[in-house]
Amino acid sequence: EVQLVQSGGEVKKPGESLKISCKGSGFSFTDYWISWVRQVPGKGLEWMGRIGPSDSYTNYSPSFRGHVTISADKSISTAYLQWNSLKASDTAIYYCVRGFGDFDYWAYWGQGTLVTVSS
Amino acid sequence: ENVLTQSPGTLSLSPGERATLSCRASQRVSNNNYFAWYQQKPGQAPRLLIYGASSRATGIPDRFSGSGSGTDFSLTISSLEPEDFAVYYCQQYGDAPWTFGQGTKVEIK
Repeated sequence: EVQLVQSGGEVKKPGESLKISCKGSGFSFTDYWISWVRQVPGKGLEWMGRIGPSDSYTNYSPSFRGHVTISADKSISTAYLQWNSLKASDTAIYYCVRGFGDFDYWAYWGQGTLVTVSS
Repeated sequence: ENVLTQSPGTLSLSPGERATLSCRASQRVSNNNYFAWYQQKPGQAPRLLIYGASSRATGIPDRFSGSGSGTDFSLTISSLEPEDFAVYYCQQYGDAPWTFGQGTKVEIK
């Protein structure tokens, strides 16, 4: 069974750093793109970026490039989303998702990680 | 980027009625059909319904159907069941950055 299990919710202050994780199981982690999707509470979905299956190549949405970093440790089948300096506007639920081969439609979603940034 | 605009914003219908949701892209979607639909219920992650514009995902009932190509796509629910009242999002994955529509809420009338 394919599963994506994300790390737990976080409460942070503006300016702090954060790294959340997404551990995959039930599939070969090196065969699939992993993306991150943001959802501000009560709002819609936004694709942030993705990391490639074997070489850790990354693509970012222009809206998020330079503000977050996507990385992975394929030895433990885990992808990461990292901020160096959080803003209040980063408060959201973050989902990791798995694509199908070269196609980025997503049947497999993590449970979501709620990140709250407040002073 | 390819901006997706969904209509209507809210659809008020009764169980058993037919629902038609629309999504218009600002640019032609690559290969005409790199297009998906998702359903999201409160407190849950989205669920994939349709990919390739018209292919149902595994386990999705046949009352859900997708159609369209180019810039105009639609999702039809032939007869609403109580569990279908939710928010629906369209997504294009033809040209990066992948983008979503803003969502259509299907609510009980």
